[in-house]
Amino acid sequence: NAGVMQNPRHLVRRRGQEARLRCSPMKGHSHVYWYRQLPEEGLKFMVYLQKENIIDESGMPKERFSAEFPKEGPSILRIQQVVRGDSAAYFCASSPPKGGLKVGEQFFGPGTRLTVL
Amino acid sequence: QKEVEQNSGPLSVPEGAIASLNCTYSDRVSQSFFWYRQYSGKSPELIMSIYSNGDKEDGRFTAQLNKASQYVSLLIRDSQPSDSATYLCAVTRSSNTGKLIFGQGTTLQVKP
Repeated sequence: NAGVMQNPRHLVRRRGQEARLRCSPMKGHSHVYWYRQLPEEGLKFMVYLQKENIIDESGMPKERFSAEFPKEGPSILRIQQVVRGDSAAYFCASSPPKGGLKVGEQFFGPGTRLTVL
Repeated sequence: QKEVEQNSGPLSVPEGAIASLNCTYSDRVSQSFFWYRQYSGKSPELIMSIYSNGDKEDGRFTAQLNKASQYVSLLIRDSQPSDSATYLCAVTRSSNTGKLIFGQGTTLQVKP
């Protein structure tokens, strides 16, 4: 039973380039969340998606960041024109459909460590 | 005031002792509460979830919730050096799935 998968695990970009981070949720999970962990800081929520829908993007920066979870394929977090301040660990988490006993439990992938040079 | 507060530590306990980790939250409508363990350079791992007042035990771990005091704690019995990690408290407002709000984490050091 594969867990949450993220790739790439490490990504190096130069300022101004684009970064694409991918996340495949656990089998049977239909909810995907993206979190960012800056160095020496806590985990911050970015966006919550279901298939073809953005449910909550209250944590997404207003510019340069976007996310999608298409009908087929992984969820993608896209960062355009990266700056040094975007260097962080980006974690994806997934949870099962609503109505389960363990409401709200989220399981994290291994993360993508983004370094902007 | 932070939404979820934890003492950053480090909390140092000897091997075999009980480690007690605490967390307070500010939003009274918070519904679900979680403890995650994060080793350095790794991703958070869910170790406990608790939804109602009282204690919940799972192996060496006990989570305690007091909604009136807006307080959640995690007890680790018979602490092992392998328990040394950062422990993250997280809450969600919604009774359905929704975003997790994390505390800064408490670093636990278990000394042999």
